[in-house]
Amino acid sequence: DVKVTQSSRYLVKRTGEKVFLECVQDMDHENMFWYRQDPGLGLRLIYFSYDVKMKEKGDIPEGYSVSREKKERFSLILESASTNQTSMYLCASAQGLAVGQYFGPGTRLLVL
Amino acid sequence: QKEVEQDPGPLSVPEGAIVSLNCTYSNSAFQYFMWYRQYSRKGPELLMYTYSSGNKEDGRFTAQVDKSSKYISLFIRDSQPSDSATYLCAMSTTGFQKLVFGTGTRLLVSP
Repeated sequence: DVKVTQSSRYLVKRTGEKVFLECVQDMDHENMFWYRQDPGLGLRLIYFSYDVKMKEKGDIPEGYSVSREKKERFSLILESASTNQTSMYLCASAQGLAVGQYFGPGTRLLVL
Repeated sequence: QKEVEQDPGPLSVPEGAIVSLNCTYSNSAFQYFMWYRQYSRKGPELLMYTYSSGNKEDGRFTAQVDKSSKYISLFIRDSQPSDSATYLCAMSTTGFQKLVFGTGTRLLVSP
């Protein structure tokens, strides 16, 4: 079974802090994704990566950056956290063509 | 108008009922269609995947795509309390993995 893990289930941070969210997948997938999920808005794509050191902006990249130094690991960085970045963050991975993405358990981030 | 529309529910049914969950979409270029199940405070889990039109069956679950109507459905037979979750549809125009998600329908199956 594909396993996608995320570094934290719950995080509480202060406005202005730098926040790192890490995601690791164990199935050698090429593609990795970061989403945020908010009530009434569904899942929105922040960034994705189709190869090591490659990244592409999703639909809502503002205020975020990403890093993919190794194939299995994809990090999401909030350079200066703001209260409107309070959300559920979901990482996903996928192999090749669109046969579906596999999600991690999510990180609930609260920015005070 | 959103590219993918999904009724948020909640949809409440008794155990054993047949459940029909639906999504409509506006982009006729969508070719890949997926259904995910998400339990409370968990990540989405891939349930079904179909390409283009037609039906696909997996146990109690049947996914149906009607491209002419831009309408997809997920049917759950003999629904169980453990099916209580939010169901998300997702779709893609090409083989690449950038998916567009519906906002999800919350399903409650009572014993």
